[in-house]
Amino acid sequence: QSVLTQPPSVSAAPGQKVTISCSGSSSNIGNNYVSWYQQLPGTAPKLLIYDNNKRPSGIPDRFSGSKSGTSATLGITGLQTGDEADYYCGTWDNSLSVVVFGGGTKLTVL
Amino acid sequence: EVQLVQSGAEVKKPGESLKISCKGSGYSFTNYWIAWVRQMPGKGLEWMGIIYPGDSDTRYSPSFQGQVTISADKSISTAYLQWSSLKASDTAMYYCARQVHSTSPRLDYWGQGTLVTVSS
Repeated sequence: QSVLTQPPSVSAAPGQKVTISCSGSSSNIGNNYVSWYQQLPGTAPKLLIYDNNKRPSGIPDRFSGSKSGTSATLGITGLQTGDEADYYCGTWDNSLSVVVFGGGTKLTVL
Repeated sequence: EVQLVQSGAEVKKPGESLKISCKGSGYSFTNYWIAWVRQMPGKGLEWMGIIYPGDSDTRYSPSFQGQVTISADKSISTAYLQWSSLKASDTAMYYCARQVHSTSPRLDYWGQGTLVTVSS
């Protein structure tokens, strides 16, 4: 059971928009930055979003992040088949003193 | 270009010891934390702990404290993850990643992963 809660799966058609939620508590998301990671099949995770809504160099602006209270959201617009992957949220937990991740969300682009 | 290159896949028997490595290049290895992350087959990401190669300050997740040892040799820009007695439940992919700050979830560069298989 993960500290952060994500939906197991989401799906949408090519060109459409999808959002992935990440729910936590005041000991983690509520008082810390959130990062998002993309893990394509058979590869290492890749940083997509950091500090709630910042994109590393090279990440297209189709990917966006937001945070409100104890929840965070990843948005992906203009979906492409190459976006099919597992997506993870992560943050620091002040009570556990660890980086915690959500259980992951599998995105299917139909 | 920042790179983290991990050692190759390992197949071990229960009770054996193991040390896997992660070599950093393209940045000042002593100025960033290195994290280790476990991913069991078909499962999610689990943060195991971090080390600051500059002074070898090491922090462990309570879930992994006493189960593994994290170390680093700054002279060769390499971090290590080791087990003294492997169990079948240690079978997993292990990633190293550069962590920007000790309490930050920002892991900005990742190694390619080392698959560890423990089977009798």
